[in-house]
Amino acid sequence: AQRVTQPEKLLSVFKGAPVELKCNYSYSGSPELFWYVQYSRQRLQLLLRHISRESIKGFTADLNKGETSFHLKKPFAQEEDSAMYYCALRPSGSARQLTFGSGTQLTVLP
Amino acid sequence: DSGVTQTPKHLITATGQRVTLRCSPRSGDLSVYWYQQSLDQGLQFLIQYYNGEERAKGNILERFSAQQFPDLHSELNLSSLELGDSALYFCASSVDLAGGGEQFFGPGTRLTVL
Repeated sequence: AQRVTQPEKLLSVFKGAPVELKCNYSYSGSPELFWYVQYSRQRLQLLLRHISRESIKGFTADLNKGETSFHLKKPFAQEEDSAMYYCALRPSGSARQLTFGSGTQLTVLP
Repeated sequence: DSGVTQTPKHLITATGQRVTLRCSPRSGDLSVYWYQQSLDQGLQFLIQYYNGEERAKGNILERFSAQQFPDLHSELNLSSLELGDSALYFCASSVDLAGGGEQFFGPGTRLTVL
């Protein structure tokens, strides 16, 4: 069975500082990894996925298969980045449900 | 709103009762997923339906059941409710089964069991 671990429940950084939200996973096959974000009073929405290798709102994430990690990074945090961030894994095969980490609440201080 | 919709927004009920949560997927999406978000368990996958058929089951209790109707909306039925069932229940939808596709989430239904 797959597992996603986000070691930090809470993370606070100052505006303009770099931010890194950690995500580690365990899965025997080739997973797809995602970052979802939930802003206050809004629904969960996809931020980025590893297969697209794109930067969204200044965030990037690189899949490191050797370390089984998919950390989310942004060089200069903004106050509007404050939100709950979830790392998620989708296994290969016909069952396509997401396994989520426990989430990290990011607060960007002014 | 052409996104995923869920009703009701809030539900307060007593232990032992039964409730039904409803989800309407995005137009064109055939897959519906149900997730439970609780303080101690986080976001957990419950069950998936694709075009009316059950496709995958996660940590869903026997007291819980779901179905997807011909118009593709889905209902999650929770019975013999316990205090621990209090949680936010999310529905998500995606285009198809094999390709996966992005899952779009609804706003959730907050269930409180007293």
